[in-house]
Amino acid sequence: GESVGLHLPTLSVQEGDNSIINCAYSNSASDYFIWYKQESGKGPQFIIDIRSNMDKRQGQRVTVLLNKTVKHLSLQIAATQPGDSAVYFCAENNNDYKLSFGAGTTVTVRA
Amino acid sequence: SQTIHQWPATLVQPVGSPLSLECTVEGTSNPNLYWYRQAAGRGLQLLFYSVGIGQISSEVPQNLSASRPQDRQFILSSKKLLLSDSGFYLCAWVPFSGAEAFFGQGTRLTVV
Repeated sequence: GESVGLHLPTLSVQEGDNSIINCAYSNSASDYFIWYKQESGKGPQFIIDIRSNMDKRQGQRVTVLLNKTVKHLSLQIAATQPGDSAVYFCAENNNDYKLSFGAGTTVTVRA
Repeated sequence: SQTIHQWPATLVQPVGSPLSLECTVEGTSNPNLYWYRQAAGRGLQLLFYSVGIGQISSEVPQNLSASRPQDRQFILSSKKLLLSDSGFYLCAWVPFSGAEAFFGQGTRLTVV
């Protein structure tokens, strides 16, 4: 089965508010984590990544937090916009050839 | 720059017919290549991956097979499609182990 999962399958957020998407992983050997955004009918697009030697990384309007103690990963989106509506996946890589994906969280932005 | 091409974008095939989906990568050499399947409203299931020409690893026993006849070409095939093969098929490449994956635009397969 999948080794990476998500706490909530859907998230509805008011435009302008911050979004937090959570992900749990089970493989303590994983050393690289990625968040992807998938719009309807398209392939996943890279958002941000983080290595296991870090606990926080920031991008443009996005922040990824990694808590290795509880094997938890989160993606924070600041000032959520309508264009942020999509399915978000976390993925992990334990330095083998396979990238394992969680089930995804559907984010819907309310105007 | 590197690009990944996947075709066709949509495909409707009858049960029992064969399948061939092709994926090619440009601008890189010796990439790791992957086929994923995504059922409606679900996550990505890894089907096959390849770390070199002629090398295929299968993750899930199924009605599908994969081949890598050239360094930057990855093909997903089936001799006889089942209804359960319907889904969104994604090809991806990774420059090296431990790096991010880059995805193609996907093929929407409907088996009728």
